[in-house]
Amino acid sequence: EPEVTQTPSHQVTQMGQEVILRCVPISNHLYFYWYRQILGQKVEFLVSFYNNEISEKSEIFDDQFSVERPDGSNFTLKIRSTKLEDSAMYFCASRQGADTQYFGPGTRLTVL
Amino acid sequence: AQSVTQLDSQVPVFEEAPVELRCNYSSSVSVYLFWYVQYPNQGLQLLLKYLSGSTLVKGINGFEAEFNKSQTSFHLRKPSVHISDTAEYFCAVSLSGGYNKLIFGAGTRLAVHP
Repeated sequence: EPEVTQTPSHQVTQMGQEVILRCVPISNHLYFYWYRQILGQKVEFLVSFYNNEISEKSEIFDDQFSVERPDGSNFTLKIRSTKLEDSAMYFCASRQGADTQYFGPGTRLTVL
Repeated sequence: AQSVTQLDSQVPVFEEAPVELRCNYSSSVSVYLFWYVQYPNQGLQLLLKYLSGSTLVKGINGFEAEFNKSQTSFHLRKPSVHISDTAEYFCAVSLSGGYNKLIFGAGTRLAVHP
C-alpha cells in the first residue's frame, strides 16, 4: 500500500541553523500539507500546497518557513533560522481527492 | 471558524470493556469529520471518516463513530478494547470540498489495562 515517507526521522540542530525536512507524498496525490505537534499539544496546521503554490498558511508559518516541491516527488519544509520553540514533531500529509489526508511518520526536530 | 473539542484528555479502561471517546465540533458550514490514531512514536493513522450519508461509520480495528448533527458530535466507540488499542486518538474536522486543512482536537489518551 502506498504511503507517505519522511526523512530524517529525528533531526537535532543548533538554534539559528537552517533545517530542511523532507517528505515524499503518495505519487498520484495533488494536495500537500505540513503540520506540527509540539510535545504534549495538539496537531497544528502549518501550510497547504497545491499546483506548485501555497494555498493556505497558518499564523505559525511566518517568513522563517518555506515549502518547495523541487522535483515532482519530494515536498520540503525549510526553517531558515531555527528557534527553541520550533522543537516539535513535523508531519507531512498528502491527499488525492476531496477528503482523506494521509500522514507520514513524522520528523522529530530538536533545537538546542 | 471551525473548532474541535475532545472532552476527555485521558480514558483508562480495562481490556474487553467497551469505550467511548467523545468529540464535539463547532462549524457554521458543512464539514467532514475524522478520527485518527497515533501509536507511540508513530504517525497519524486514519481510523474512520464521515463525509456524508449514513451517520454511523465503521472503521478499522473494530471502531465505529456516529455523526450527530443536532448535537454537533462525532463520538468514537468500540464494544471491546484490547491492550493494543492503547494510543492517542485525535478527532479532526475539515471544510467539505476543496483542499482544506484539518483542525484537530487536543487528543484523548486511551489506556487499556489488563
